[in-house]
Amino acid sequence: KAGVTQTPRYLIKTRGQQVTLSCSPISGHRSVSWYQQTPGQGLQFLFEYFSETQRNKGNFPGRFSGRQFSNSRSEMNVSTLELGDSALYLCASSYEGTEPYEQYFGPGTRLTVT
Amino acid sequence: QKEVEQDPGPLSVPEGAIVSLNCTYSNSAFQYFMWYRQYSRKGPELLMYTYSSGNKEDGRFTAQVDKSSKYISLFIRDSQPSDSATYLCATRDSSYKLIFGSGTRLLVRP
Repeated sequence: KAGVTQTPRYLIKTRGQQVTLSCSPISGHRSVSWYQQTPGQGLQFLFEYFSETQRNKGNFPGRFSGRQFSNSRSEMNVSTLELGDSALYLCASSYEGTEPYEQYFGPGTRLTVT
Repeated sequence: QKEVEQDPGPLSVPEGAIVSLNCTYSNSAFQYFMWYRQYSRKGPELLMYTYSSGNKEDGRFTAQVDKSSKYISLFIRDSQPSDSATYLCATRDSSYKLIFGSGTRLLVRP
């Protein structure tokens, strides 16, 4: 089975721009979660989508948004980029058939904001 | 106070050593505990999970949870240079959100 894929892998943007990142979950997985990883804050939860609905949200400003499509693929968008948004953005998918709903991560998109 | 605390290391050990990685957590309601391994420039990879208290063994890896002290541990026996990575402990809250420790960098010297 193919793993979680994320595109693009690397991205360089300028302050004030917006960016869209994409995630394709493992086939059959309906839950997609997004995380931000930085050296200072570690891995922080952004939001989770299940069956095209946002089910859970972390403590990030409204500039961070996401969506999920009917095929479970997900995108996240960051508007009005700030230098502090430079991070590794990770997507994870889970099946949720039985506990503990293990989450499998993709390789991440490394975003650099200049 | 962070919900999950983890010593960032780095932890440097010789090949063949037994490695002990530890985390503490604050919320006694947490039930599921996971260990992820993350190599440089890769996403985290799920190593093991445990439910409630007790031990779970998988090859050279043993995960241990002590709910009375809110302490979780990962032991690696016969450590190898290929085990060099960052190890992240995590727990899951009631809304299925994963809460991670900051990660411990492990270096196994040949």
